[in-house]
Amino acid sequence: DAGITQSPRYKITETGRQVTLMCHQTWSHSYMFWYRQDLGHGLRLIYYSAAADITDKGEVPDGYVVSRSKTENFPLTLESATRSQTSVYFCATGTGTGIQYFGAGTRLSVL
Amino acid sequence: GENVEQHPSTLSVQEGDSAVIKCTYSDSASNYFPWYKQELGKRPQLIIDIRSNVGEKKDQRIAVTLNKTAKHFSLHITETQPEDSAVYFCAASINNNNDMRFGAGTRLTVKP
Repeated sequence: DAGITQSPRYKITETGRQVTLMCHQTWSHSYMFWYRQDLGHGLRLIYYSAAADITDKGEVPDGYVVSRSKTENFPLTLESATRSQTSVYFCATGTGTGIQYFGAGTRLSVL
Repeated sequence: GENVEQHPSTLSVQEGDSAVIKCTYSDSASNYFPWYKQELGKRPQLIIDIRSNVGEKKDQRIAVTLNKTAKHFSLHITETQPEDSAVYFCAASINNNNDMRFGAGTRLTVKP
């Protein structure tokens, strides 16, 4: 769906480097989310945001930082990337009724 | 926090047969249960959902049932087709608070 865009789609980085994954939505949904997807674990919630300037930890927040200064953007930063953070990252938006819409994903490899 | 378990992890059926995927949840306060389909290399997409005030919901060939007492819910796909082949995820959340927890997924293969 063009309403939610993730960038980059693919990223290779080295351990210890800072990496920022971007998420942008055009729907004005109040909720935004970051998940990581690993084999055998399904989708695990990292952080979510109910509105601009409001963020909450999810199931696996350690090693990640988020911000939401504008409703449409929800960047995810890995302050010092580790190999265990190699994963596929999905951003999603929510309507406030539980329903979520996912972006196309970012495949991150940490070497 | 909420814990969602999903079974089986893989499921193979013949075209035209039915497929059933089951999930259990731990928190009795959960009241929203969506199912997502993820095709290879694609994003998860919502296919059906159910809220705790309903016991069953149908949409063409797919249906979801919910047993609040036993804390489990199931996805039923009838007359399966090869294009139903994908990974299916169940999820649960409490009071639409959007802190949604997902099952580990079921890889469904429909053989022509």
